[in-house]
Amino acid sequence: DAEITQSPRHKITETGRQVTLACHQTWNHNNMFWYRQDLGHGLRLIHYSYGVQDTNKGEVSDGYSVSRSNTEDLPLTLESAASSQTSVYFCASSEGGSYAEAFFGQGTRLTVV
Amino acid sequence: EDQVTQSPEALRLQEGESSSLNCSYTVSGLRGLFWYRQDPGKGPEFLFTLYSAGEEKEKERLKATLTKKESFLHITAPKPEDSATYLCAVQFTGNQFYFGTGTSLTVIP
Repeated sequence: DAEITQSPRHKITETGRQVTLACHQTWNHNNMFWYRQDLGHGLRLIHYSYGVQDTNKGEVSDGYSVSRSNTEDLPLTLESAASSQTSVYFCASSEGGSYAEAFFGQGTRLTVV
Repeated sequence: EDQVTQSPEALRLQEGESSSLNCSYTVSGLRGLFWYRQDPGKGPEFLFTLYSAGEEKEKERLKATLTKKESFLHITAPKPEDSATYLCAVQFTGNQFYFGTGTSLTVIP
């Protein structure tokens, strides 16, 4: 069955370190998204991609970057981790074009100490 | 300004006690409204998509409806296994999804 997987599921890192969260989908979807989820804020869009070599900033993109070198993967990089980036991160994908629902991974819980 | 607002934030129901969750949005040019269920420690799970005012979708004890400015998720005779956080998302430009903060539903046996 097609799926979307995130790794690692849990990570603790130190302030200032570079961290990369992986997202891999086997749906062959063109659209991929990264969200963070915090109490009181819900899911907020960090970055998104509509296809290979395409990346776009979301509403909370400062301190994060993504790259899309193939259809299956959209890694999220925290350039210099800050305590404010402690959160649960979700990756999602959807078919190209509009109106299609997004499918989510199981999430990565990141703690920055 | 929030584009998607969900209410109530939390809801406790007795088993069998029907109720509704609300999702209101301020965006214009809605392309789609999506309902998701999220269990603790898991990613959101897709439930419904609604595209136009007047549309309704049903799945077991859940029924979603859409008007021009809001959507309702009706839960009929809920069971404890319906306990979860229900999220609403809108798509109004591009293919991005914008989420509300969710309603935490607890169904008491």
